[in-house]
Amino acid sequence: AQKITQTQPGMFVQEKEAVTLDCTYDTSDPSYGLFWYKQPSSGEMIFLIYQGSYDQQNATEGRYSLNFQKARKSANLVISASQLGDSAMYFCAMRVGGGSQGNLIFGKGTKLSVKP
Amino acid sequence: KAGVTQTPRYLIKTRGQQVTLSCSPISGHRSVSWYQQTPGQGLQFLFEYFSETQRNKGNFPGRFSGRQFSNSRSEMNVSTLELGDSALYLCASSMNWMTNTEAFFGQGTRLTVV
Repeated sequence: AQKITQTQPGMFVQEKEAVTLDCTYDTSDPSYGLFWYKQPSSGEMIFLIYQGSYDQQNATEGRYSLNFQKARKSANLVISASQLGDSAMYFCAMRVGGGSQGNLIFGKGTKLSVKP
Repeated sequence: KAGVTQTPRYLIKTRGQQVTLSCSPISGHRSVSWYQQTPGQGLQFLFEYFSETQRNKGNFPGRFSGRQFSNSRSEMNVSTLELGDSALYLCASSMNWMTNTEAFFGQGTRLTVV
């Protein structure tokens, strides 16, 4: 079964420090993509970063990087130099390719709170 | 480049009524998918459209339906509303329905059923 697991319901981090949000996934399909989204209290899902299953290097986008460990089936999000505006829900998602499915499968999310 | 636009942003409906939500994808994107987000169930996939055809469907009752127009705009309809349909409905836009590299969301429509 295809599944995304985020084991941290809530996390706290001090402003300007780095934080890692955990995500593990399960799929038997060799072709898949992994996404991270940020959802502030306003509700909009903001795309942060993408990692393809065949990508050799870990994805990076500004202060966001994805620690992709394929053998462990993990795709942790690292946020460097946390800012107060980073306080939000963070969702890890997977999209499986090569078949009829184009939809995203989401984890339950992690609520990140950045302390001043 | 305009993002994904969902209208309306907020809706309050009464049990038994029906509702139609709209989603305009990013220009050039032809795939639109819909998700329901509730505190209890999280984010659940409803359906996905590409080139006016439903390509994939989640596990929701037939009261939930959708369609896509030739300009790629999509609507979803919920008939005979129930209290449990209260949720944030999000739509996502992609270039291609099987593209693995992008999915951008709108701000969502928050539906409250009373």
